[in-house]
This record gives sequence, structure tokens and C-alpha cells, in this order.
Amino acid sequence: QQQVKQSPQSLIVQKGGISIINCAYENTAFDYFPWYQQFPGKGPALLIAIRPDVSEKKEGRFTISFNKSAKQFSLHIMDSQPGDSATYFCAASYSYGKLTFGQGTILTVHP
Amino acid sequence: NAGVTQTPKFQVLKTGQSMTLQCAQDMNHNSMYWYRQDPGMGLRLIYYSASEGTTDKGEVPNGYNVSRLNKREFSLRLESAAPSQTSVYFCASSVVEAFFGQGTRLTVV
Repeated sequence: QQQVKQSPQSLIVQKGGISIINCAYENTAFDYFPWYQQFPGKGPALLIAIRPDVSEKKEGRFTISFNKSAKQFSLHIMDSQPGDSATYFCAASYSYGKLTFGQGTILTVHP
Repeated sequence: NAGVTQTPKFQVLKTGQSMTLQCAQDMNHNSMYWYRQDPGMGLRLIYYSASEGTTDKGEVPNGYNVSRLNKREFSLRLESAAPSQTSVYFCASSVVEAFFGQGTRLTVV
């Protein structure tokens, strides 16, 4: 069963635009929600993460918005750059244990 | 600072052959994981080890076995490879943040 659902599958934005990727989870025991960035031929790398006691976390151009009642969280990339073109995965875990991943979003930022 | 090292990077197997994917981490992490990545399906957990001497099944364990050799090393074995096991395999280790290796691209023909 897919406990974390991610959308869209692919996203194309223009340089300088805002990229938004959404995720929904089912297991209310999840208490750690990271986003990973993956470039071709590389392993995923942690981008930003949030715990459910806050509704928003910002690091540079990257922001996670978290809605506990709706069991949804999203990644916003402001001022998107061509170098942001990558595959993005949301994930969730309980007590920093094994991660359950979403299906991934392929982001393409056009110059 | 090597992080998580996986070997080999690429492998082609014939159906029915066996092989072991090696993983080592130098961050003194207790937890280690094996995931497979397939298009449109994200990363799915095969097996994990919360500490040296323990292993548990993940979401897709069938056809695989693992060994937590020591705190640093966690290997994944395919006893009789099948075309359905063609995938990219990632090893990871964690305390809080999970660190991933570069992956092993496996093709079973």
C-alpha cells in the first residue's frame, strides 16, 4: 500500500517561477517529514525536513508547508533555477526510523 | 569523508544467477537500509537493520536476503535473480537524517 502519495509526477516551470510539489500521508504515527533531492546517477540527498509541531519551515529558497489536520505537506521552491532541475521525493517516518517515500516528482526548470 | 559506499556501481546478471551488493558506512550509524528505486514508484524499502545484529523486512523483501556483518557493513543478496529485480538499489544509513550511497544499477536479463 502507498502510504505517502506525491503529485505531480512531473513539473515544468520557468526560471524565476515557483515550483510546488504536494504530498499526502495516511499514517498518523508519522512524525518526521523530509524532502529529498536526487540528480541523475546520484543517490537522494536531504533537502529540508519538518516535524508536525510546526506548520512551516524555510531554508533559503525552499519552504515546507505542513497541514497536520489534512495530513498533507508541500515543498515550495521560490525563484526556481535551472540547477534545481532534479527529482524530488517526499518521505515520512516514525521516530526517525525507516522512511516511506512518495513516488517522486521530476522537476524541469527552463532558462 | 566517504559517507555511504556501495559496490558495484553497475551489474548485469543472467536470470537465476546470484550476487551480493555491498554497502559500508563510516558515520557510526546504528540504522542501515536497502531500498530499490523503480520509475514512478519512488524508493521502496527492501530490508533494514536498526542495529548491529538485527534485521527486519521492509515493503518488498521477497527474493532478497541481508546480512548486517558489523556496524559498518550491510549487504544485500539476490539468491536467484529474476528480471523483476532489475532496478537501482540504494543503501542508506541514519541517526536522524538518512544518507544514501550512489546506487547500484542492476540489470537482470
